[in-house]
Amino acid sequence: QKEVEQDPGPLSVPEGAIVSLNCTYSNSAFQYFMWYRQYSRKGPELLMYTYSSGNKEDGRFTAQVDKSSKYISLFIRDSQPSDSATYLCAMDLTGANNLFFGTGTRLTVIP
Amino acid sequence: DTGVSQDPRHKITKRGQNVTFRCDPISEHNRLYWYRQTLGQGPEFLTYFQNEAQLEKSRLLSDRFSAERPKGSFSTLEIQRTEQGDSAMYLCASSSLAGLDEQYFGPGTRLTVT
Repeated sequence: QKEVEQDPGPLSVPEGAIVSLNCTYSNSAFQYFMWYRQYSRKGPELLMYTYSSGNKEDGRFTAQVDKSSKYISLFIRDSQPSDSATYLCAMDLTGANNLFFGTGTRLTVIP
Repeated sequence: DTGVSQDPRHKITKRGQNVTFRCDPISEHNRLYWYRQTLGQGPEFLTYFQNEAQLEKSRLLSDRFSAERPKGSFSTLEIQRTEQGDSAMYLCASSSLAGLDEQYFGPGTRLTVT
């Protein structure tokens, strides 16, 4: 079993839809949770960064962490064609020095 | 541009050849990381440096792989006697000591071994 599980999709939604992306994990020691966006043939770009449980909002993006369920989510409101990319969740252990990534979910927003 | 840069962006090599990649981190970042990403997968950690010291290496990093960061600034990743299974995107990331978990990635070097 991988430490971080993420549905690879692909996911297609119409422009303006609310998108929900999710990851589950098995290691309860994970403390830091991140979402990266990766366009085709580019490096991942840090979108959201949260520590422990709770919600964090940044513009159209909301990150949610539920440590009791070992489940994290990223919501995208009013999705745009420019949001079409692969979204990677990533997690870190306290004091560790490498990120554990999900496989990524490929999202297409159709105009 | 003050982001992480990597060179070359693409490398095609024949099996058995040696290749070397370079990464220039964000200038004030002390930590530098190397990851490998294959098609349809998330990045996998290879190694990281704090300043010039290599502090951790993944089991993924076989003896054919070596990384250096001689002056605590740029880093190189060398693969000796390349194999077809080495074909992947090699990503470099950096972070500051104040924000260890906020890693910023470069555009990657795509390696194809024929």
